[in-house]
Amino acid sequence: GQSLEQPSEVTAVEGAIVQINCTYQTSGFYGLSWYQQHDGGAPTFLSYNALDGLEETGRFSSFLSRSDSYGYLLLQELQMKDSASYFCAVRDPSGGYQKVTFGTGTKLQVIP
Amino acid sequence: DVKVTQSSRYLVKRTGEKVFLECVQDMDHENMFWYRQDPGLGLRLIYFSYDVKMKEKGDIPEGYSVSREKKERFSLILESASTNQTSMYLCASSSGLAGLHEQFFGPGTRLTVL
Repeated sequence: GQSLEQPSEVTAVEGAIVQINCTYQTSGFYGLSWYQQHDGGAPTFLSYNALDGLEETGRFSSFLSRSDSYGYLLLQELQMKDSASYFCAVRDPSGGYQKVTFGTGTKLQVIP
Repeated sequence: DVKVTQSSRYLVKRTGEKVFLECVQDMDHENMFWYRQDPGLGLRLIYFSYDVKMKEKGDIPEGYSVSREKKERFSLILESASTNQTSMYLCASSSGLAGLHEQFFGPGTRLTVL
């Protein structure tokens, strides 16, 4: 089966840097995505890593190590509006078709 | 702008009722998905569809069925609603196999079954 592990909650100070980790165990793997979801809102896509290394998009970066089955989302220069839940998701070809399996999410609280 | 709409934001139904949740996307996407979201459990895939009239079971299909008669519309059906189906239901769509990882979500339907 598939499983993804993320910390359930993280608290960080405005202006600081925070890293949200994700480890996965899947029978197949094509890539790791990250989504953001504000309370009461819909998840929105942030980034995708298919290959090892760091991908940067503005204040957000995402990292993948396929050999370690591990990735992280790095948020820099934290702002109050970054308070949200963050989900990692694995693109998984198991079962003969591809689908995406989501982690249980990390609730990030940014404090002044 | 990419848009996924769901028929209701809030819905209250009685145990045993048949419930229809509708989802429409205007992006001509091939893939459509239904998830339920519960606290501490993240998003769990109920059903998905790669094409019109095609459907595949996700991780928790029991008690649900789906219909995709047109490319833009994907319906989730609860044949006989039960209290344990009280949840937030999210519809999503994405473009082809290459875009599977980038899903666009609707605003969600919060369903309460009494």
